Amino acid sequence: EVQLVESGGGLVQPGGSLKLSCAASGFTFSGSAMHWVRQASGKGLEWVGRIRSKANSYATAYAASVKGRFTISRDDSKNTAYLQMNSLKTEDTAVYYCTRPGMDVWGQGTTVTVSS
Amino acid sequence: QSALTQPASVSGSPGQSITISCTGTSSDVGGYNYVSWYQQHPGKAPKLMIYDVSNRPSGVSNRFSGSKSGNTASLTISGLQAEDEADYYCSSYTSSSSFEFGGGTKLTVL
Repeated sequence: EVQLVESGGGLVQPGGSLKLSCAASGFTFSGSAMHWVRQASGKGLEWVGRIRSKANSYATAYAASVKGRFTISRDDSKNTAYLQMNSLKTEDTAVYYCTRPGMDVWGQGTTVTVSS
Repeated sequence: QSALTQPASVSGSPGQSITISCTGTSSDVGGYNYVSWYQQHPGKAPKLMIYDVSNRPSGVSNRFSGSKSGNTASLTISGLQAEDEADYYCSSYTSSSSFEFGGGTKLTVL
């Protein structure tokens, strides 16, 4: 069974940092790109960014709203993708999901709250 | 403001058909056949319903269908059922090698 499990969410002050993890199982993680998508409470989905596979040079791409503040990485030996979030703003408060290409499988999400 | 435009809400009675539109530009919806549709019930993760404009993943009812004309994609749900009541989002690949979502449409089954 294909499964994605996010973790690492929590409460952080504006300007702070947080690192989310996405543990994958049930498919060939190393050959797959991975995406992060977020959703503020009562709002729509927002694509955050993606990282491609080693074969594609681990290329990353980000939404304009997070570029320069967020970094996506991966550890293929651990079947895990990461989202490093720096210089957090209150508007980054959301449930963060990871998903694979095709976005056919989603994790349960992890909640990030940026507040003083 | 979302890059892809969807109606905020649609409604229909059980058994009827409804269509949700998703309007973009030639740099996203119109330029690629990589439009997807997602269903999201309250408190749940999104569920893929349609991919590559008109393909259904295994297990998704054939009451759901997708199409595209120019810069506008559409999701049609036929034979509406109570369980179809949810939020629906479209997404598209873009010329910037990124993805965009629509603002979402709340479907109410009357």
